[in-house]
Amino acid sequence: DTGVSQDPRHKITKRGQNVTFRCDPISEHNRLYWYRQTLGQGPEFLTYFQNEAQLEKSRLLSDRFSAERPKGSFSTLEIQRTEQGDSAMYLCASSLDGGLHEQYFGPGTRLTVT
Amino acid sequence: AQSVSQHNHHVILSEAASLELGCNYSYGGTVNLFWYVQYPGQHLQLLLKYFSGDPLVKGIKGFEAEFIKSKFSFNLRKPSVQWSDTAEYFCAFGGSQGNLIFGKGTKLSVKP
Repeated sequence: DTGVSQDPRHKITKRGQNVTFRCDPISEHNRLYWYRQTLGQGPEFLTYFQNEAQLEKSRLLSDRFSAERPKGSFSTLEIQRTEQGDSAMYLCASSLDGGLHEQYFGPGTRLTVT
Repeated sequence: AQSVSQHNHHVILSEAASLELGCNYSYGGTVNLFWYVQYPGQHLQLLLKYFSGDPLVKGIKGFEAEFIKSKFSFNLRKPSVQWSDTAEYFCAFGGSQGNLIFGKGTKLSVKP
């Protein structure tokens, strides 16, 4: 399978714990995006990378969130001191550089904070 | 602010009925518009897209959408739905940051 993959698919954590998610984009894609989706809503943009550079961050991305893409390939999204409001599906997408926004999505990581 | 509105939260149709899902966006400049579909248990997939040119766009599985600039609309249509079209449909707009701005989605249930 050469699509976008995400790991883990499900994560249950207690409030206050740190969690880290991983995204592996389609190999030739330079752009990588993170979105968050809550029940009854469409995906909401969090941040994106062009190769290893993080170019944009949404105001939804609080100081407890950090994302990296160290070698311009896979990316990680870490949430520190999780809160119940962080419970959501975290989606990763990738696209070709200059691909006029056509993005390919992974299956998502469902986070439940208890 | 750029935004996307989808008018219907849940649509229930019988097989062979015609489908039209509404989508309106708010932005006065050049637009890139998309419809994504999420089948039960699967990830988001691109159904069709509009960047420029012919405002009537054809996508996969018999879907089409029409861009009407004067109405800021990009409605999705299919003349005859099938049970397998049961899914959630998201309209999206290409934002200035390179991100996609999604509507809240419309759940389509097709009765066999």
